[in-house]
Amino acid sequence: DAGITQSPRHKVTETGTPVTLRCHQTENHRYMYWYRQDPGHGLRLIHYSYGVKDTDKGEVSDGYSVSRSKTEDFLLTLESATSSQTSVYFCAISPTNTGELFFGEGSRLTVL
Amino acid sequence: AQSVTQPDIHITVSEGASLELRCNYSYGATPYLFWYVQSPGQGLQLLLKYFSGDTLVQGIKGFEAEFKRSQSSFNLRKPSVHWSDAAEYFCAVDSDLKAAGNKLTFGGGTRVLVKP
Repeated sequence: DAGITQSPRHKVTETGTPVTLRCHQTENHRYMYWYRQDPGHGLRLIHYSYGVKDTDKGEVSDGYSVSRSKTEDFLLTLESATSSQTSVYFCAISPTNTGELFFGEGSRLTVL
Repeated sequence: AQSVTQPDIHITVSEGASLELRCNYSYGATPYLFWYVQSPGQGLQLLLKYFSGDTLVQGIKGFEAEFKRSQSSFNLRKPSVHWSDAAEYFCAVDSDLKAAGNKLTFGGGTRVLVKP
């Protein structure tokens, strides 16, 4: 398995609170991604990073921010969580931009 | 806008029977195409990918997919299904070939149930 660790794996929080999800990799891969998975929607890209301090938005970036201060860590922050952000969040990494992503096991977030 | 459609939400197949999963995409040029599989409670794993060249591509676990430009399709097939193939399958397209990374657009997924 690719060395990807997501934390926390499960979190329940209340509307309006800030939440940070962490993705940690031991593979030294350049590219890191955050997706959310919702029934019927497949996975949708939130943000991704193509290097330290280099990030770009995906299709559902509103309400989310990211940071990558070192190669191994990619943080996803919900500044003020809403119920529509209840989802399973997946981190993925890749050494190249050829589309082979390696996924973490996911973080289930429930916003009450 | 880029879109990927998987018309079948659920498919039930008997063990040993053949399987075909459909995928249609909307994109102005020939995109990069992918199939991923997700076992329950797990992340996704790449089965195969198509960039160019031979339109029939082989992947892992005995899967293959055929790219048909005229139909904007990239269907996944397996000649004989095993019980371990029960999972959810996602077709994906790279939506922005000029981006620094891969901005994959995923279909909604097809859940495969294998009957003994």
